[in-house]
Amino acid sequence: RKEVEQDPGPFNVPEGATVAFNCTYSNSASQSFFWYRQDCRKEPKLLMSVYSSGNEDGRFTAQLNRASQYISLLIRDSKLSDSATYLCVVFLSGSARQLTFGSGTQLTVLP
Amino acid sequence: EAQVTQNPRYLITVTGKKLTVTCSQNMNHEYMSWYRQDPGLGLRQIYYSMNVEVTDKGDVPEGYKVSRKEKRNFPLILESPSPNQTSLYFCASRRLNTEAFFGQGTRLTVV
Repeated sequence: RKEVEQDPGPFNVPEGATVAFNCTYSNSASQSFFWYRQDCRKEPKLLMSVYSSGNEDGRFTAQLNRASQYISLLIRDSKLSDSATYLCVVFLSGSARQLTFGSGTQLTVLP
Repeated sequence: EAQVTQNPRYLITVTGKKLTVTCSQNMNHEYMSWYRQDPGLGLRQIYYSMNVEVTDKGDVPEGYKVSRKEKRNFPLILESPSPNQTSLYFCASRRLNTEAFFGQGTRLTVV
């Protein structure tokens, strides 16, 4: 089983739609969680950190469910510019490599 | 401006010809790492370094070398490149226990 698993998609949604991605992680001792955004063949960039209480940044909401070991990202009112690959990232303190990346979920927002 | 700088951005080389991809960060981060990204496989860690003179293997270290003589620099060395090392490479840096910042990527083709 992969340490971090994401549905690769692709997700094709119309502009204005709400879309949700899930990510599961295997190590229950994982401590920090992030969502990164990667545009085609460019470097990943931090979208938002994921806190235990959940957090929101404009149209984006991230949630953490430790009991079920998954995190989610909700995008409301999708824009064309949201088209990208979204990477789930898990941090495990005490692990030498620490950051583990999911393989990404591809989103295309259609006009 | 805080950044991670990789060079070159694009490189085409021949099998067996030694090459070095440089990575430099100006954020005084302790932790640096190299990843390769291939279609369907996501980001895979090649090597990482937790501080000066401290380096260790990631998931796919074969065929690569690194060094960390200074805190800001973390070059990736391919002593004898082969076609299966054709990939998109990213350098990343961060403080311990925080999110990673990525360089713009190096697209390497080995023919």
